[in-house]
Amino acid sequence: AQKVTQAQTEISVVEKEDVTLDCVYETRDTTYYLFWYKQPPSGELVFLIRRNSFDEQNEISGRYSWNFQKSTSSFNFTITASQVVDSAVYFCALSEIGNQFYFGTGTSLTVIP
Amino acid sequence: DAGVIQSPRHEVTEMGQEVTLRCKPISGHNSLFWYRQTMMRGLELLIYFNNNVPIDDSGMPEDRFSAKMPNASFSTLKIQPSEPRDSAVYFCASSSRNRDTQNGYEQYFGPGTRLTVT
Repeated sequence: AQKVTQAQTEISVVEKEDVTLDCVYETRDTTYYLFWYKQPPSGELVFLIRRNSFDEQNEISGRYSWNFQKSTSSFNFTITASQVVDSAVYFCALSEIGNQFYFGTGTSLTVIP
Repeated sequence: DAGVIQSPRHEVTEMGQEVTLRCKPISGHNSLFWYRQTMMRGLELLIYFNNNVPIDDSGMPEDRFSAKMPNASFSTLKIQPSEPRDSAVYFCASSSRNRDTQNGYEQYFGPGTRLTVT
């Protein structure tokens, strides 16, 4: 079974629309971390955010926001007022005790001008 | 501070040749990861090290692949002999860990090595 599931393979939105990328994870650990990464067309993998399993507060950073819900094992990522520069593949990831690290399969986001 | 450094950035070689990819992790990080990314298979974890010791190499495709980490600041991934199906982008990443739980913190990735085997 997948530890991290990103069911949306590809998403296209028109510039300035809001878009939410879904991430569902599976773990039996009580202590774990969740992450989001961005991979733009240039190819590098860029770390965006880390959340601790004990901290369910939502986080906002500019146009980016993250919604962490342990009840549904989800860690969703919303981009508000999307821009062309947001076009990228976004990966969700999970770190369990003992440094087991799992990436989702990624969601390819295309923002159309 | 320098990020994760990988060399070479691009490598083109002929089938059957030996290929060595190099990685210098971020200073102070005690975990190092090697990944391979292709369109068909996505991002695959090949092997990772904690404190220079290989922990999980179950992702290494076959015996043609080997990885070493002789010290905390250097790792290599070797393919011998290389085959066209090894063509991919190979990423190295490093991270630190929570001292109590050993959960890995965020991984920082190098720019990758684009390998083409003809």
